[in-house]
Amino acid sequence: GNSVTQMEGPVTLSEEAFLTINCTYTATGYPSLFWYVQYPGEGLQLLLKATKADDKGSNKGFEATYRKETTSFHLEKGSVQVSDSAVYFCALRENSGGSNYKLTFGKGTLLTVNP
Amino acid sequence: GAVVSQHPSWVICKSGTSVKIECRSLDFQATTMFWYRQFPKQSLMLMATSNEGSKATYEQGVEKDKFLINHASLTLSTLTVTSAHPEDSSFYICSAKGPGVAVSYEQYFGPGTRLTVT
Repeated sequence: GNSVTQMEGPVTLSEEAFLTINCTYTATGYPSLFWYVQYPGEGLQLLLKATKADDKGSNKGFEATYRKETTSFHLEKGSVQVSDSAVYFCALRENSGGSNYKLTFGKGTLLTVNP
Repeated sequence: GAVVSQHPSWVICKSGTSVKIECRSLDFQATTMFWYRQFPKQSLMLMATSNEGSKATYEQGVEKDKFLINHASLTLSTLTVTSAHPEDSSFYICSAKGPGVAVSYEQYFGPGTRLTVT
């Protein structure tokens, strides 16, 4: 079956530090890959996505590249801000109609950015 | 656009009672909705997938008679936790997927419902 493994947190950084959250996956076929963010007390929001190998998703200074050879989709940001404090989820989606296109999530990584 | 709401945002109920949670897509028609359960500091676990007008598909280990899902219209799905027990206390999240090209559409998530069973 499909699975997503992401680095366990919590991750604590100072403002303007570089962020990497590792994510690797196991899947059959050719999944799409996502990063979602959950701010305290809120629902999940899509942060970025990539639908095929070598695609780079980017949004709000965050980037992740779909690496098929290493089955990875690591999240990076060059300079984090206090407002980036949240839980980050890596996810994959099967792209076959029979799967209903359901998402498989990693366990989430709590990021805390201190001023 | 693509807003999904849930109601209530939190609910407390007594053991043995039933509680209904609504999930609405406010500005689009959702052919498919998903229900997740999130335990503290853990990931989202998919409970079931519902397609408008048909029976829900439950994930392995999820009791369909306990977690009743109805997707009667393109904008509304409901999850009813029947005969709730304290172990059902959790954060329930729905998401909605609209029609579109397979590789481009997204799931849009509701803000979640915190259920506490006393």
